[in-house]
Amino acid sequence: DAGVTQSPTHLIKTRGQQVTLRCSPKSGHDTVSWYQQALGQGPQFIFQYYEEEERQRGNFPDRFSGHQFPNYSSELNVNALLLGDSALYLCASSLAGQNYGYTFGSGTRLTVV
Amino acid sequence: AQSVTQLDSQVPVFEEAPVELRCNYSSSVSVYLFWYVQYPNQGLQLLLKYLSGSTLVKGINGFEAEFNKSQTSFHLRKPSVHISDTAEYFCAVSVTAAGKLIFGQGTTLQVKP
Repeated sequence: DAGVTQSPTHLIKTRGQQVTLRCSPKSGHDTVSWYQQALGQGPQFIFQYYEEEERQRGNFPDRFSGHQFPNYSSELNVNALLLGDSALYLCASSLAGQNYGYTFGSGTRLTVV
Repeated sequence: AQSVTQLDSQVPVFEEAPVELRCNYSSSVSVYLFWYVQYPNQGLQLLLKYLSGSTLVKGINGFEAEFNKSQTSFHLRKPSVHISDTAEYFCAVSVTAAGKLIFGQGTTLQVKP
């Protein structure tokens, strides 16, 4: 049973560029959440997608946007990258209406130079 | 709004000794409580969760936690740690079982031989 798959694992971008990160949820899950984890910090919630719509959003600027596809996979897009966007980006999937908790992927390490 | 405070940034302990990682939360409404573990260069793995019922929750790898509503705490304990328990531990709360998670800053558990 495949867990949550994220790609790429590592990425280096230049300030001002745009980046797209991808996530495939665990089989049977229909909800995808994205978190940003800066070095030495706890993860911070970016947004959650369910039924291809953004259901909840954290305190992140509009430069951060997302999408969920009919197969439940998801993308996180970040425009106009800043040095401060360097972080580990974690994707978590879950099944709506169930209390089993999230399954996290291993993350994408984004470095902005 | 909710917040989580992990009272110790680092906890050094010798192998086979007991350990307690402390977590306090703040919320004006009832919350669900979680502990996650993060090994180097990996995502988050759910150790245990409190949704309702018994305040003593048992999780994986011999960990347990006790929910104390009056003290708004959810401390994590293990009676005897192993070298392999060396990792970062995160306490988190959520207003709904599948809603956004609010994480603490994390506690680094360092198990020494």
